Amino acid sequence: EPEVTQTPSHQVTQMGQEVILRCVPISNHLYFYWYRQILGQKVEFLVSFYNNEISEKSEIFDDQFSVERPDGSNFTLKIRSTKLEDSAMYFCASSRGVSGANVLTFGAGSRLTVL
Amino acid sequence: AQKVTQAQTEISVVEKEDVTLDCVYETRDTTYYLFWYKQPPSGELVFLIRRNSFDEQNEISGRYSWNFQKSTSSFNFTITASQVVDSAVYFCALSEELRGSQGNLIFGKGTKLSVKP
Repeated sequence: EPEVTQTPSHQVTQMGQEVILRCVPISNHLYFYWYRQILGQKVEFLVSFYNNEISEKSEIFDDQFSVERPDGSNFTLKIRSTKLEDSAMYFCASSRGVSGANVLTFGAGSRLTVL
Repeated sequence: AQKVTQAQTEISVVEKEDVTLDCVYETRDTTYYLFWYKQPPSGELVFLIRRNSFDEQNEISGRYSWNFQKSTSSFNFTITASQVVDSAVYFCALSEELRGSQGNLIFGKGTKLSVKP
């Protein structure tokens, strides 16, 4: 079964450092997303991306965050200058179509620890 | 305002017991979709089911069943004859037709289910 692949599975970084989290969405999916889950809390929407541009972003997705699809397969989330509160599990997801009925397929997550 | 409430933070049962996970939602949209996702200890989010707001038929899939009631804005999930492998955090989520079109799923806080042998 096709899956969304995320790397790294766990990254530890120092506060203020830049971090790039990578995702390979399902190949025939056109819509891509990042979600965040702070430990023990609910999963929160960060951003959606289609046709090489951001479709929607949440309040969490401030100027220190950016997303990019640098080639035909990867979808990346960059955090420019990490803060302690950025420590969380980051989930990439993709979907074939766009509507409220979308079933998002999530990756296994990348755990980010900021020290 | 859109909101999903899972009032049960943690549930612990013994294997073979039935267990129901509650989910209550709030939305002003008339067209919306409800989801359940499972997060096993390995951490990934696994899709279980999607229902749309116009289909209130209950659904059964093996040991899993879902009870959607618009009158009470609830979408409860029952596991019959629970097994240790069912131990996970279960998330209920809401997608509205407009906001959901951008992939903005609204998740509840999750219910951690522990099934003991």
